[in-house]
Amino acid sequence: AQKVTQAQTEISVVEKEDVTLDCVYETRDTTYYLFWYKQPPSGELVFLIRRNSFDEQNEISGRYSWNFQKSTSSFNFTITASQVVDSAVYFCALSEASYGGSQGNLIFGKGTKLSVKP
Amino acid sequence: NAGVTQTPKFQVLKTGQSMTLQCAQDMNHEYMSWYRQDPGMGLRLIHYSVGAGITDQGEVPNGYNVSRSTTEDFPLRLLSAAPSQTSVYFCASKRGAELFFGSGTQLSVL
Repeated sequence: AQKVTQAQTEISVVEKEDVTLDCVYETRDTTYYLFWYKQPPSGELVFLIRRNSFDEQNEISGRYSWNFQKSTSSFNFTITASQVVDSAVYFCALSEASYGGSQGNLIFGKGTKLSVKP
Repeated sequence: NAGVTQTPKFQVLKTGQSMTLQCAQDMNHEYMSWYRQDPGMGLRLIHYSVGAGITDQGEVPNGYNVSRSTTEDFPLRLLSAAPSQTSVYFCASKRGAELFFGSGTQLSVL
């Protein structure tokens, strides 16, 4: 069965600190997708990144970077030089790439609440 | 291009009342789904649909009904609301592997 674990329930940092949000997943599929979503205090869900299981290259987008390691089933998210606007709940999610059965439904972790203090 | 539109944004119900949460998308996506979000629980899948006339259950389907008569609309029905259904509900449509979310409905059942 698929499962996503975000062990960090809440993290608090001071502005300009770097912070890493952990995500560990379980799946029996060899083909799957991993995602990160951001939920700011306003409540909407903002898509950040999608990674497929065949692409283990790390990705950097501005202050955001993602480290995908199949060997440890992890897809960690790092914010460099954090800012107050980064305060949000961050969700990691997993979906199978196959389109039978579950039709690629996304399974979400429980989320990590990040508070960045000025 | 409106994307995924959910109505209402807020709703208060009394135990036993029924209501329908509306969801519409204008992206011609075949796949649509409903999630509920509870504190400390992340998002959990309620029901999903892979096309008009086809629906299936997710992780937490009890107490909810869905139907999909058109590609655009995927309403979620609560036939007899219970306090345990107090939650934030998100509708989403999907293209390929990417999910597009609505802005959510905050539902309180008293």
